[in-house]
Amino acid sequence: GAVVSQHPSWVICKSGTSVKIECRSLDFQATTMFWYRQFPKQSLMLMATSNEGSKATYEQGVEKDKFLINHASLTLSTLTVTSAHPEDSSFYICSASGQANQPQHFGDGTRLSIL
Amino acid sequence: GQQLNQSPQSMFIQEGEDVSMNCTSSSIFNTWLWYKQDPGEGPVLLIALYKAGELTSNGRLTAQFGITRKDSFLNISASIPSDVGIYFCAAGANSKLTFGKGITLSVRP
Repeated sequence: GAVVSQHPSWVICKSGTSVKIECRSLDFQATTMFWYRQFPKQSLMLMATSNEGSKATYEQGVEKDKFLINHASLTLSTLTVTSAHPEDSSFYICSASGQANQPQHFGDGTRLSIL
Repeated sequence: GQQLNQSPQSMFIQEGEDVSMNCTSSSIFNTWLWYKQDPGEGPVLLIALYKAGELTSNGRLTAQFGITRKDSFLNISASIPSDVGIYFCAAGANSKLTFGKGITLSVRP
């Protein structure tokens, strides 16, 4: 149980393109979903927390107009990197949690490469 | 901000050996978790701890939530080659997680 699916697993696109990443909880309802960014050989950095039906809460230093998050249902959250540039290249990982105090379960991540 | 300390950055052990990893913080947390991440994949939950002093096992893995709520350790017994990967500790407060920098474990056959 507690399977989280992330799509796509990797994407390469030109600078200026907007990229959408989907995160789905397959066998449970996720009241809260989280988006992280991970640079090579580093830890996970929380970007934002989203609750179904409400606006995402962004961490300090994360541009909310750059990284658009939508959590329209209890099983789906999306992250859109708008007008992506090479410095946005990274490994983006989502996680989902059911009820409060339940652990976060992670998707397999999306490798984003902006040329 | 809150930080979790994991060291060393890398560990090298022989297949069959036991290994212990520690994670410490200057802050108190209500939840401690251990995740394993393989290259190019997301972290996989190994053990979740919710109560100070709690000792929990998952197969060859054992983890404890420190009594002070500021630390946790993970033990892997009788290591096998597939134990290689990056082991992250994470600690939670108010549903958000703070992650350690991870320990890369290598297992020599």
